[in-house]
Amino acid sequence: NAGVTQTPKFQVLKTGQSMTLQCAQDMNHEYMSWYRQDPGMGLRLIHYSVGAGITDQGEVPNGYNVSRSTTEDFPLRLLSAAPSQTSVYFCASSPLHRSYEQYFGPGTRLTVT
Amino acid sequence: SQKIEQNSEALNIQEGKTATLTCNYTNYSPAYLQWYRQDPGRGPVFLLLIRENEKEKRKERLKVTFDTTLKQSLFHITASQPADSATYLCALDFQAGTALIFGKGTTLSVSS
Repeated sequence: NAGVTQTPKFQVLKTGQSMTLQCAQDMNHEYMSWYRQDPGMGLRLIHYSVGAGITDQGEVPNGYNVSRSTTEDFPLRLLSAAPSQTSVYFCASSPLHRSYEQYFGPGTRLTVT
Repeated sequence: SQKIEQNSEALNIQEGKTATLTCNYTNYSPAYLQWYRQDPGRGPVFLLLIRENEKEKRKERLKVTFDTTLKQSLFHITASQPADSATYLCALDFQAGTALIFGKGTTLSVSS
């Protein structure tokens, strides 16, 4: 199994540009989530999904959209990038829900100039 | 709001010693508490999960305790090795909330 994969590994955007961070898992996990990690702030939940067709907001959802059309994929869209969205983004999946161990992807380092 | 504090940003110990990391929280107790390891430039990796009705969990050289009276979890690495050097994160799951809340982490350095 490849586990949780994320693309790209690095990305530089200009303010106002949009882009999609890709996340896929091959473990047939129902629960998937997106976190951002900033120095001194820890990991913060952006959006999560408990299954295909179901998504919900986390702690810091503003400026981001998600969709879950299949069990495997959970893309994160930045609608209009801002410097405050410079961060490292992690996708995670879990067999059932957040109360079980989370499997994290390798991360995407995003810089918005 | 719920707050999590991990005892310090950095902990330096000598090889062979026991490392003890602390995770304190405020307000009500979580249903589950998890510990993760994160190496530079990589995603967190799950280590251990302990439930609120469990006092202690062990896995090889790792031990986690959970004291709901003190609102604290301790994470121990016995016979520490330089390869244990990493950042360790605690994460709390409050059933009523919507997020798995992570602490900021403690960076452990084990010197030989």
